[in-house]
Amino acid sequence: QITLKESGPTLVRPTQTLTLTCSFSGFSLNSRGVGVGWIRQPPVKALEWLGTIYWDDDKRYSPSLKNRLTITKDTSKNQVVLIMTNMDPVDTATYYCAHRVGLAVFDHWGQGILVSVSS
Amino acid sequence: QSALTQPASVSGSPGQSITISCTGTSSDVGGWNHVSWYQQRPGEAPKLMIYEVSDRPSGVSSRFSGSTSGNTASLTISGLQAEDEADYYCSSYSSATTLVFGGGTKLTVL
Repeated sequence: QITLKESGPTLVRPTQTLTLTCSFSGFSLNSRGVGVGWIRQPPVKALEWLGTIYWDDDKRYSPSLKNRLTITKDTSKNQVVLIMTNMDPVDTATYYCAHRVGLAVFDHWGQGILVSVSS
Repeated sequence: QSALTQPASVSGSPGQSITISCTGTSSDVGGWNHVSWYQQRPGEAPKLMIYEVSDRPSGVSSRFSGSTSGNTASLTISGLQAEDEADYYCSSYSSATTLVFGGGTKLTVL
C-alpha cells in the first residue's frame, strides 16, 4: 500500500524559504522508473506541477519556477524534500507530493499541506 | 493561465453522459499518448481516473473513459451519478515543459 504525507510549516513570511518534506511508504525511490512529484494548488485554483525527482536522481522542474526550486531525496529515510526560495503571497497554496508512475502519471497523492505566505 | 484548456464547467442529469474536453498543442496532448485525468472532490486530494489517454486504474468505474483526437483529449462519464460531482483536471506530458495540467472543469450533477 502506497502512502505519502507532506509536512512542514503552514505559515511563512514573504522572502523566506519554504522547505517541505514528503514522507512515503509502500515503494522505493531506488526502483527503476519510480519518481515523486510536487504539485500545488492555490485556493480555488487549478493544479500546477512544480517538479519531479526520479529514481536515478534526475530532476525536472517547471520552467516558470525552476530558478526557485530544489528537490532532493533521501532514500534511506523514504523522504523527498522540496525547497522553494523567495516566497511570495501568490505562492499561498496546498502543496501535494505524489507517486509518479509512467511518463507523467501520479497514481497516489498525499493529503496535501496548506502553506500560507503572509507577513 | 494553464497550458491545457478545459471548459470551466459542465453539467448533466443523473443517467446522462457528459464529455469534458482538454485542448493542448502538438507538444503535449497531440504529440504524446500520455494524457491523464484526475477527479478532485472538495477538500480532497486529486484521484487518478484515466492514464495514457484511455486506461483506467484498478477500482475506477468503467463509466469513465478517455480518448484523444488531434490536440484535444476528452473524458466521458456515462450513466452520470451524484457521486461524480467534482472538479476534473487533465494533464499531459509535454516535450516543452515536462508536464502540464489543465485549468480544471467543475462537473455539476443536476
